[in-house]
Amino acid sequence: AQSVTQPDIHITVSEGASLELRCNYSYGATPYLFWYVQSPGQGLQLLLKYFSGDTLVQGIKGFEAEFKRSQSSFNLRKPSVHWSDAAEYFCAVGSAGTSYGKLTFGQGTILTVHP
Amino acid sequence: EADIYQTPRYLVIGTGKKITLECSQTMGHDKMYWYQQDPGMELHLIHYSYGVNSTEKGDLSSESTVSRIRTEHFPLTLESARPSHTSQYLCASSGISEQFFGPGTRLTVL
Repeated sequence: AQSVTQPDIHITVSEGASLELRCNYSYGATPYLFWYVQSPGQGLQLLLKYFSGDTLVQGIKGFEAEFKRSQSSFNLRKPSVHWSDAAEYFCAVGSAGTSYGKLTFGQGTILTVHP
Repeated sequence: EADIYQTPRYLVIGTGKKITLECSQTMGHDKMYWYQQDPGMELHLIHYSYGVNSTEKGDLSSESTVSRIRTEHFPLTLESARPSHTSQYLCASSGISEQFFGPGTRLTVL
């Protein structure tokens, strides 16, 4: 069974600092990987996705993520955090085949940004 | 504009009432999903559908039921609401890649 672990429940950074949110997955084949962001009281918005090809993927709002198969990781990064980035971030893994489209989510990382 | 809608956004209701949470999408997606999310917690898949007249239970057991009579519509029903059903319910749809989420319904059962 596939699973996703986000080791950091809560991260606090200063505005302008760099950010890295960790995500580790467990999946038997090549995974489809996603990062979503959720603002309070809202649904989830897709930041970026990885299906195949270049292991460094660019997303919206200046975010990027790198797929490392050897480490089963898909960490999210941003070089300079803005106060508006404060939200909860979810990593998810999906699969192809008959269950295509179903996602398994990590428990989320809450990002707090100090001015 | 293609989008996914959920109504109501907030619902406070008494124990024993029947409720239906509405979800509609205008993207023509075949696949639709319902997730349950407690505050600050991960999302748990409770129902999904791969098309009209197709519904399946998800990874988390739920007393709710769903129907898929039209492609664009995927309502969730609780026949008799209980305080344990208090949660946020998120609806999503997908085409060939990522899932698109609605804004959610926050349900409180007193």
